[in-house]
Amino acid sequence: AQSVTQLDSHVSVSEGTPVLLRCNYSSSYSPSLFWYVQHPNKGLQLLLKYTSAATLVKGINGFEAEFKKSETSFHLTKPSAHMSDAAEYFCVVSEGNTGFQKLVFGTGTRLLVSP
Amino acid sequence: GAGVSQSPSNKVTEKGKDVELRCDPISGHTALYWYRQSLGQGLEFLIYFQGNSAPDKSGLPSDRFSAERTGGSVSTLTIQRTQQEDSAVYLCASSFEGGGLGTQYFGPGTRLTVL
Repeated sequence: AQSVTQLDSHVSVSEGTPVLLRCNYSSSYSPSLFWYVQHPNKGLQLLLKYTSAATLVKGINGFEAEFKKSETSFHLTKPSAHMSDAAEYFCVVSEGNTGFQKLVFGTGTRLLVSP
Repeated sequence: GAGVSQSPSNKVTEKGKDVELRCDPISGHTALYWYRQSLGQGLEFLIYFQGNSAPDKSGLPSDRFSAERTGGSVSTLTIQRTQQEDSAVYLCASSFEGGGLGTQYFGPGTRLTVL
């Protein structure tokens, strides 16, 4: 079965500094990978998705993630944090061989941004 | 445009009572998903609908949980004889198609508290 591991439960950064949220995946074949963001009292929103077309994936709000098969990683980065980036971030893998997009979520990383 | 809506936003019930949670997907979306977000279990898949049929119910935690979808649109998740461990946020998502990489759009969730 597919799974993802988010290595940090909390990450704290200062506004204007880079963001790195780490994710490792486990998959027996080529995975589909996503990052979702959840702001307080808001629904989950897709940030970006890996489609196997390109290993560097650009998403919304300046976020990007790089698929590294050799390291089984899909870390999320942003060059400069903004206060509005404070939220919970989920790394997600889609289970294959189910005939539909069955999402398996990581445990989440809470991003705290200080002024 | 209208997104996925869920009602009620909050539900408090007593142990042993039945509850119904409603999801209105985005118009035209054929695929609908239910997830549960709880402190102990994180975000977990419950059930998937394609049209009115549910090809995958593997995530339903017990036979007290059931779901239906009518007219290829609205879905209801029913929990019978609620238990305290059912307390969680129940999330609904819809996508244009179930397979491939059709983006899942999430609703704001229903927070269920079982006393």
